[in-house]
Amino acid sequence: GEDVEQSLFLSVREGDSSVINCTYTDSSSTYLYWYKQEPGAGLQLLTYIFSNMDMKQDQRLTVLLNKKDKHLSLRIADTQTGDSAIYFCAETHRDDKIIFGKGTRLHILP
Amino acid sequence: NAGVTQTPKFQVLKTGQSMTLQCAQDMNHEYMSWYRQDPGMGLRLIHYSVGAGITDQGEVPNGYNVSRSTTEDFPLRLLSAAPSQTSVYFCASSYSLADTDTQYFGPGTRLTVL
Repeated sequence: GEDVEQSLFLSVREGDSSVINCTYTDSSSTYLYWYKQEPGAGLQLLTYIFSNMDMKQDQRLTVLLNKKDKHLSLRIADTQTGDSAIYFCAETHRDDKIIFGKGTRLHILP
Repeated sequence: NAGVTQTPKFQVLKTGQSMTLQCAQDMNHEYMSWYRQDPGMGLRLIHYSVGAGITDQGEVPNGYNVSRSTTEDFPLRLLSAAPSQTSVYFCASSYSLADTDTQYFGPGTRLTVL
């Protein structure tokens, strides 16, 4: 079956690193995405990684992919209040079908 | 609950034809939205609705119409399809726009316009 799982909530202190985890079940995934949704807004693509990569870094964002364990993570360094949002993990397959997780709500503590 | 359902799963149209993509949710969600996903790009918001009778434009509304006559249904209409509308379309819903709510996505409709 096709399923993308992620924890629903994460609380992190401002200035610390946030790590949001995601697991997926389909090994034929081609791309894996992280989206951010701020209150009242649509989804914003943060970053993506090809399935043949292990890691991708983009400024404060680091994506790690463990294909063997079907585990994807998003690390946000030096977490700021503006990072407070819901983060969605998603995977696509060769037929362009996209499967989303239910989202992780990141809460920033002062 | 069935969650968010979309029909059809696949559709091929000729340029100039019209059609309606259906979206329904059985979770009593107020907020519903339509996105399109294009190769190598992220999701882009087409239209959204914060409740029955209320709709508004998103990032890429041109060429699409929506209506929200009931809480459950949020159809997306293409009045005159163009090849640029070839895409995968996702419908989503959530209880409200508040940041405590997560969005639930439908399985997508793959549309090809020839």
